[in-house]
Amino acid sequence: DTGVSQNPRHKITKRGQNVTFRCDPISEHNRLYWYRQTLGQGPEFLTYFQNEAQLEKSRLLSDRFSAERPKGSFSTLEIQRTEQGDSAMYLCASSSGEGKVAFFGQGTRLTVV
Amino acid sequence: AQRVTQPEKLLSVFKGAPVELKCNYSYSGSPELFWYVQYSRQRLQLLLRHISRESIKGFTADLNKGETSFHLKKPFAQEEDSAMYYCALHLTRRNAGGTSYGKLTFGQGTILTVHP
Repeated sequence: DTGVSQNPRHKITKRGQNVTFRCDPISEHNRLYWYRQTLGQGPEFLTYFQNEAQLEKSRLLSDRFSAERPKGSFSTLEIQRTEQGDSAMYLCASSSGEGKVAFFGQGTRLTVV
Repeated sequence: AQRVTQPEKLLSVFKGAPVELKCNYSYSGSPELFWYVQYSRQRLQLLLRHISRESIKGFTADLNKGETSFHLKKPFAQEEDSAMYYCALHLTRRNAGGTSYGKLTFGQGTILTVHP
């Protein structure tokens, strides 16, 4: 599968723990996005990278959230001190340039208990 | 602020019937609109975009700027069309350095069920 890859697919964690998700975009795509999707809602934009630069962060991304894309390839999204409200599907997408279609990964489903 | 509204959370039709999934948007600029689809146990994928003005899997969507709508239509629904459908508005932004980039604002989605 040469599409966007996300790991893990599922994560169950206790409240207060830290979690990290990984996204591997399509190899030639320099643009990478993170979205969050809660039950019954459409995906909501979290943050955007162009190569290694993080160009926008949504207000949804509290101080407990941090995203990196150190070499302009894969990206990680870390949530510190998880809360039950963080339970959601976290989606990663990538695209090859301005106006190009974004391709989505299968997502990481986080459950905070 | 930009917003996308899909008024129907659920839509059920019988095979062979016409189907229309409604999408309305709120945006002061020139919109670029997409329909994404998610079949059971599959990832979100692009169905069509308004600038392409093409028909994919028999679906079409016309941008109506007067009504701020981008409804998705298919004259004869098939069982394999059963899926979650999301309408999305693409915004192009430019940062202080002059780099342009885009992000999608999604509607809440409509679950389409096509009965045999």
